[in-house]
Amino acid sequence: AQSVAQPEDQVNVAEGNPLTVKCTYSVSGNPYLFWYVQYPNRGLQFLLKYITGDNLVKGSYGFEAEFNKSQTSFHLKKPSALVSDSALYFCAVRDGTGRRALTFGSGTRLQVQP
Amino acid sequence: GAVVSQHPSRVICKSGTSVKIECRSLDFQATTMFWYRQFPKQSLMLMATSNEGSKATYEQGVEKDKFLINHASLTLSTLTVTSAHPEDSSFYICSAGREDQPQHFGDGTRLSIL
Repeated sequence: AQSVAQPEDQVNVAEGNPLTVKCTYSVSGNPYLFWYVQYPNRGLQFLLKYITGDNLVKGSYGFEAEFNKSQTSFHLKKPSALVSDSALYFCAVRDGTGRRALTFGSGTRLQVQP
Repeated sequence: GAVVSQHPSRVICKSGTSVKIECRSLDFQATTMFWYRQFPKQSLMLMATSNEGSKATYEQGVEKDKFLINHASLTLSTLTVTSAHPEDSSFYICSAGREDQPQHFGDGTRLSIL
């Protein structure tokens, strides 16, 4: 069975500072990894994905994530946080050879203070 | 713009009512769609996989007679919560995507059963 862990319920960061939202995963095959963001009472918006290739993946709104196979991690990062980045962030995984349904982490609430 | 449309966005109804939620893929054909449920401040839990032209595949613990799924066309899947009760109150989200692309999510349906 596949699983995703997001160890932090909430991350607080000051505007302009770098941010990191942590994610580790477990999957039997090659991992397909995703980050999504959710605003209140809305669905999920796709930020970025890793399937293969460079370990550093760049996505929407200046976000990036680094795939680390040895540590089974896929942390989300941004060099300079904005207040508008405040939202709920979900890391998700699927087995690259299996079905396309995603397994989500528990979510991390990012709070960017002005 | 949105590639997956979900309707309605909010439903408030009395206990015992059946509620239908629609999920449409707007600019692509989706042979498979996914239905998730999200409890307050929790992650998304996969309920079922909707398969065009065949029966849905339900996750363990999800009552198929309670949550009826119909995927009659390549652009529309419906989830009907039959004889809804207060414990069915939740945020329901669908997703769809092309085979080699990330899943796109609808904006969700907040269901409140009085």
